[in-house]
Amino acid sequence: DAGVIQSPRHEVTEMGQEVTLRCKPISGHNSLFWYRQTMMRGLELLIYFNNNVPIDDSGMPEDRFSAKMPNASFSTLKIQPSEPRDSAVYFCASSLGTDRSGYTFGSGTRLTVV
Amino acid sequence: GEDVEQSLFLSVREGDSSVINCTYTDSSSTYLYWYKQEPGAGLQLLTYIFSNMDMKQDQRLTVLLNKKDKHLSLRIADTQTGDSAIYFCAESYDKIIFGKGTRLHILP
Repeated sequence: DAGVIQSPRHEVTEMGQEVTLRCKPISGHNSLFWYRQTMMRGLELLIYFNNNVPIDDSGMPEDRFSAKMPNASFSTLKIQPSEPRDSAVYFCASSLGTDRSGYTFGSGTRLTVV
Repeated sequence: GEDVEQSLFLSVREGDSSVINCTYTDSSSTYLYWYKQEPGAGLQLLTYIFSNMDMKQDQRLTVLLNKKDKHLSLRIADTQTGDSAIYFCAESYDKIIFGKGTRLHILP
């Protein structure tokens, strides 16, 4: 298995632009998580899905952030409009719901908003 | 609420043992984890322990759990330069909550 695949690896965008981050979870995993990592706040859980349904989006910072999971093999995290304070590394992770051995993380998308 | 605390930095001489400590607040946590993050990469699961265990050993790694004090530690024996990374402690009940990570620096 290729693991959790995220794209793009790096994104530089201007303030006010729309940004879309993509994630392909491991085939067969039924839970998907979006995290944001910054030096100040560490690793924050933004939202997670189970069987394509959003379960907990309490970590989504504000209405500018939205996430979708149209099918079991694809998810997007969208920021519209983007702001400089959104600059961070965004990670996607997946797990098999009954597997307690933790999550498998992607390599992350480093977002810079200028 | 849920919270996981760990020190931010640790420096260890090559060949010595590293001990990274963590405290958590959720007594209903079922699993506790240690993840490793190398520069430019995602988090990689190192090891995990079920909450009814006291200790787990896996090659150079030893995890100790004190459930009464809600304290978790990771010991890395014979620390090598390749162990230089950020180590995250995490707890889970219905979802995994991560600490801020401990940056392990290896001295020659």
